[in-house]
Amino acid sequence: DAGVTQSPTHLIKTRGQQVTLRCSPKSGHDTVSWYQQALGQGPQFIFQYYEEEERQRGNFPDRFSGHQFPNYSSELNVNALLLGDSALYLCASSLFKGDSPLHFGNGTRLTVT
Amino acid sequence: SQQGEEDPQALSIQEGENATMNCSYKTSINNLQWYRQNSGRGLVHLILIRSNEREKHSGRLRVTLDTSKKSSSLLITASRAADTASYFCATRGSNYKLTFGKGTLLTVNP
Repeated sequence: DAGVTQSPTHLIKTRGQQVTLRCSPKSGHDTVSWYQQALGQGPQFIFQYYEEEERQRGNFPDRFSGHQFPNYSSELNVNALLLGDSALYLCASSLFKGDSPLHFGNGTRLTVT
Repeated sequence: SQQGEEDPQALSIQEGENATMNCSYKTSINNLQWYRQNSGRGLVHLILIRSNEREKHSGRLRVTLDTSKKSSSLLITASRAADTASYFCATRGSNYKLTFGKGTLLTVNP
């Protein structure tokens, strides 16, 4: 049973470019959440998707957008990249109902130069 | 913004000793969870305690929750070198969003 998978594992982009990160949730999970983790910090909530809709959003600008597909996989898009967007981007899946804990992928390390 | 605040920021102990990490939070919660992260990898869920529970055990882990003080503690007994990692508390409120603290870096020396 595959867990949460994210691609790519590493990415280097130039300031101003756009990036798309991908996530496949754990089998049986219907909800995907995205987090940004800067070095030495805790994960910061970006947004959560359920039933192909953004259900909740953290304090991130509109440059950050996402999508969830019918098979529950998800994408995170970041436009007009800034140096400060350099971070580990974590995808987590869960069940929408109840006290379902998050299952995390190993993340995508994004470096913006 | 961070909801939880772990203390201490870093902790170094010898193998076999117990490790205690604390977490304080600001607003009311439905549950509090602890996660572990090995360097540069994803987080792994350790234990969940609901707002109406005071203590929970899982193997060598013991978690307490004091909602009147808005605080929780994680105790790892008989620590091993493999327990070396960052530990995060995360709180879930009524909006189901899980908010993480900044974490405690635990180093267990062989």
